[in-house]
Amino acid sequence: EVQLVQSGGGLVQPGRSLRLSCTASGFTLDDCVIHWVRQAPGKGLEWVLNFNWKRGTLDSVDSVKGRFTISRDNSRKSMYLQMNRLRPEDTALYYCARGSSSNYFDMDVWGQGTTVTVSS
Amino acid sequence: SYELTQPPSVSVSPGQTASITCSGDKLGPRYVSWYQQKPGQSPVLVIYQDTNRPSQIPERFSGSKSGNTATLTIRGTQAMDEADYYCQTWDSNSACVFGTGTKVTVL
Repeated sequence: EVQLVQSGGGLVQPGRSLRLSCTASGFTLDDCVIHWVRQAPGKGLEWVLNFNWKRGTLDSVDSVKGRFTISRDNSRKSMYLQMNRLRPEDTALYYCARGSSSNYFDMDVWGQGTTVTVSS
Repeated sequence: SYELTQPPSVSVSPGQTASITCSGDKLGPRYVSWYQQKPGQSPVLVIYQDTNRPSQIPERFSGSKSGNTATLTIRGTQAMDEADYYCQTWDSNSACVFGTGTKVTVL
């Protein structure tokens, strides 16, 4: 079954770091673009960033530039969203999602989401 | 920054047609996708590239676009279609943009 399983998240103080993971099943990350999308409590969807494994390129929203980065493990099944210098406004439910093969901005598989709370 | 505007809410009676609009500057040349999100669940892609429907999505869902406005139409709306719906495209900087979201209520 093609799916994305997420883990990580939790409560963290402002200015600290947190790492979220996103593990693929039924496909490998080499073949696709992975997006991270967040949803603040009671709010709409906000795209955070995407990473294209083939091109090695990362695009992100301005508010996370220089703070959020991507890495992956050698199995090519898991990727990690490293979030540094976290702010209260980063508090949200974070989803990873796969960009489809026909148009990578179409997100055809989503993880279950993981919650990040930034508070002192 | 690029913005997509949707009506906050749409109400529809069971079996009737619900239409959700999504407007944005120079939206015409850009592909638009639509996502359904039910409470406590992850979003689901229901329309991609303006008019295409993933195989697992019911035929009652359709998409269209005219000028700078895209529309998601749900024909024969069912109670299970009650959800939040988001349109999505990308801007000139290759940044993904989601619409403001529309809550569909089936009365």
